Amino acid sequence: DIVMTQTPLSLSVTPGQSASISCKSSQSLLHSDGKTYLYWHLQKPGQSPQLLIYEVSSRFSGVPDRFSGSGSGTDFTLKISRVEAEDIGIYYCMQGIHPPPYTFGQGTKLEIK
Amino acid sequence: EVQLVESGGGLVQPGGSLRLSCAASGFTFTSYSMNWVRQAPGKGLEWVSYISTSSSTIYYADSVKGRFTISRDNAKNSLYLQMNSLRDEDTAVYYCVRNKGGAWGQGTLVTVSS
Repeated sequence: DIVMTQTPLSLSVTPGQSASISCKSSQSLLHSDGKTYLYWHLQKPGQSPQLLIYEVSSRFSGVPDRFSGSGSGTDFTLKISRVEAEDIGIYYCMQGIHPPPYTFGQGTKLEIK
Repeated sequence: EVQLVESGGGLVQPGGSLRLSCAASGFTFTSYSMNWVRQAPGKGLEWVSYISTSSSTIYYADSVKGRFTISRDNAKNSLYLQMNSLRDEDTAVYYCVRNKGGAWGQGTLVTVSS
């Protein structure tokens, strides 16, 4: 199975500052169809996860442009510009290359200073 | 509005069975593959099972293979997970998830304990 490794596992950020989370996969997530199946999800406290970014860098419907994804192959980054209080929670990267199993990173907990 | 509503969770003894259901609305259910993902208390996310739009392709995590069965009824816009031979380590919130995570349900808690 593909192993997803996130760093750091926790992050404390001052409102208005930026934050970055790294995600590395044990195998390339570039599919033969030309797409790279790397996703970012956010689980806010007490809530279900929600999709933020799909296929490395595409923002899901309604996601603020403060969130951006980048990377290729096995190395990926989620950047949050101008962090706000509502951004707290646990961020998970996920590989969705077909066929399953799909796998998630360990999660990165974002707190506000 | 896209909605996924799970039901069927509860307390069950080791070795027992449960059937989870997920009612989908607000989108064309027949156009999306579906998944079950679980989260043990205080832990991260674990993919459990996948089913294609026509049910022709199904996958399971090794941890549940042979014990869990995923199915769907496109006429009822519903997804199911039949869970047999339950173990303590199956205790988790189970989420119904559309495709690669475009929508998540609120989850249903399954507790396996004697």
